[in-house]
This record gives sequence, structure tokens and C-alpha cells, in this order.
Amino acid sequence: EDQVTQSPEALRLQEGESSSLNCSYTVSGLRGLFWYRQDPGKGPEFLFTLYSAGEEKEKERLKATLTKKESFLHITAPKPEDSATYLCAVQAAGSARQLTFGSGTQLTVLP
Amino acid sequence: DTAVSQTPKYLVTQMGNDKSIKCEQNLGHDTMYWYKQDSKKFLKIMFSYNNKELIINETVPNRFSPKSPDKAHLNLHINSLELGDSAVYFCASSPHRVSGIENQPQHFGDGTRLSIL
Repeated sequence: EDQVTQSPEALRLQEGESSSLNCSYTVSGLRGLFWYRQDPGKGPEFLFTLYSAGEEKEKERLKATLTKKESFLHITAPKPEDSATYLCAVQAAGSARQLTFGSGTQLTVLP
Repeated sequence: DTAVSQTPKYLVTQMGNDKSIKCEQNLGHDTMYWYKQDSKKFLKIMFSYNNKELIINETVPNRFSPKSPDKAHLNLHINSLELGDSAVYFCASSPHRVSGIENQPQHFGDGTRLSIL
């Protein structure tokens, strides 16, 4: 069974204090790993897709990396508007495209 | 323009009632999904439809019945609501295949918060 574990559950940072979120996964053949951002009362908003180990993607202050067992979401010099829950999900090869999600990391960036 | 829209946003009802949640997407996608997010924030797949055909039906009580009148709509009907059905239900959509790449990101609605009294 596909599993996704995210850590830490919650993270509080000062504005400008860089850090990383972790997503560990076990999947029977990875078709893709997805990062989403979820704000309170909203649906998940797509950030990145990573397909193979060694791949990196960047968007503003966020950079996502992928190894064979985990993915990291690096946040450089975060701002209060980066506060949200960050969700990681995997899509298995041979699946009917459903996503298996982790429980997320709730990030709070203090001004 | 809202890409994936769900109605209602909030639904408060009594145990034992029957209710429906509607979902519409204007992205031209041909695959749509229903997810349930529990109090611990886990999003779990419930159903998926591709071009009005059911392709995923996870272990969900048969009180839950999805209906897709066309590929832009996927509704969820729930019979005999129970306390454990309280959760946020998210609809999502994705294209089936773009330029040979199958794992296109799913786009989510803002959820329907269902509360059972």
C-alpha cells in the first residue's frame, strides 16, 4: 500500500528564517510526486510535480527536490504570506491517477 | 473564473438525512475526483470518473453514490447520513493526458464542509 509521511507536523519560523519540510514515501513505482499548498477554508493549490530522483523545481521562495525515498520542500527567506499547510502526494504507476496524500506540514511564518 | 466549483460550501444537517454536493469544472478536463478530508487533514480518494465512467471506487460505504451527468460535472449523493460522515469533501479534476504525460496535476475546489448533528 502506498504511504506518505510528512514531517514536521507543524513548523513556526521567523520571517527570513529558511527551513525544509520533509515528505517520505513508499510507493509501488512512482509516477509523480506532487506538492500542494492549502490555505484555511480553501482547496489544495498545486505547486510542483517531480517525476524522478534528482529532479528539482523552483518557484519564488520554494524549491522542491526528490530522491528515491523522500522529497524536500525548501523555503528560503520565508514571508508571512507563505504561512499555509503544505501537502505532499504521490501517484503510483499503474494507478488510475488517484493521489495518496500525507497529512501535511502546517507552516507559520511570524513577522 | 472559478475553475472547480462546489456547492454548497457549508452543509449542516441531521443524522439520517439524505444530501447532495455538486461539483462543476470549467477547465475542459475529462477526469474528476471526490476526496474526503478528515479532522487530521488527511485527504483520501473516494471516487474518480473519466468521461462519465467510474474508474476508482475506494472502500466507501454504499450510502455514498457519485453521479456524473457529463464530463464537467460530478455530484455526490449521500444517504442516511451518519456522525462519522462529518468532514470536508473536495472535488478535483485533471486532464486525462497532455502531450503524452499522464500524471497531470489535479485542480481542487474549495471544499464542502459537512457537519452532522
